[in-house]
Amino acid sequence: GENVEQHPSTLSVQEGDSAVIKCTYSDSASNYFPWYKQELGKRPQLIIDIRSNVGEKKDQRIAVTLNKTAKHFSLHITETQPEDSAVYFCAASRGGSYIPTFGRGTSLIVHP
Amino acid sequence: NAGVTQTPKFQVLKTGQSMTLQCAQDMNHNSMYWYRQDPGMGLRLIYYSASEGTTDKGEVPNGYNVSRLNKREFSLRLESAAPSQTSVYFCASTGYGESPLHFGNGTRLTVT
Repeated sequence: GENVEQHPSTLSVQEGDSAVIKCTYSDSASNYFPWYKQELGKRPQLIIDIRSNVGEKKDQRIAVTLNKTAKHFSLHITETQPEDSAVYFCAASRGGSYIPTFGRGTSLIVHP
Repeated sequence: NAGVTQTPKFQVLKTGQSMTLQCAQDMNHNSMYWYRQDPGMGLRLIYYSASEGTTDKGEVPNGYNVSRLNKREFSLRLESAAPSQTSVYFCASTGYGESPLHFGNGTRLTVT
């Protein structure tokens, strides 16, 4: 089955810095890669996703890149703000499978 | 449009007691899931239902049962609660194809 590794497990940055979270996956048939943000005590919520026919996608301060050859994808947050502090999860799934595989999560701390 | 609704929000059980966690979605989604979230372990899949009338085991099904009552509702039952089942439980749903999960607000369960 699919295996998703996520690094780092904790990331501490100063407000205004950039943050990068990386995930690798094992199943070359995976073609959908969402990212979820979970604030303390809240539910995970989708912040951005990318499909395998696209190499990069951007939404304001958030971007995701995908390298299918190397089987890794990354979340980039620019100009970080304290409200970006949360746990971020990556996931991977493939068409025909109903089960997304999640990474273990990255706790991002943005210091004012 | 409420999305995914879970009840209860909090529950305390004694070892050996039983309970059912309820989940309902109003997005006409076909697939529904139950996850548990423990510190440092990410989101682990307990059971899922790819479509109405079907259920399948996930990564950590032992000690749990599920019922897909209809397209909207997917319940999780603990027949004889154990302290190891102390966790936060999330229900989620998704539509066809490559689409993200929509999570409920979670149930915080403590078994003493």
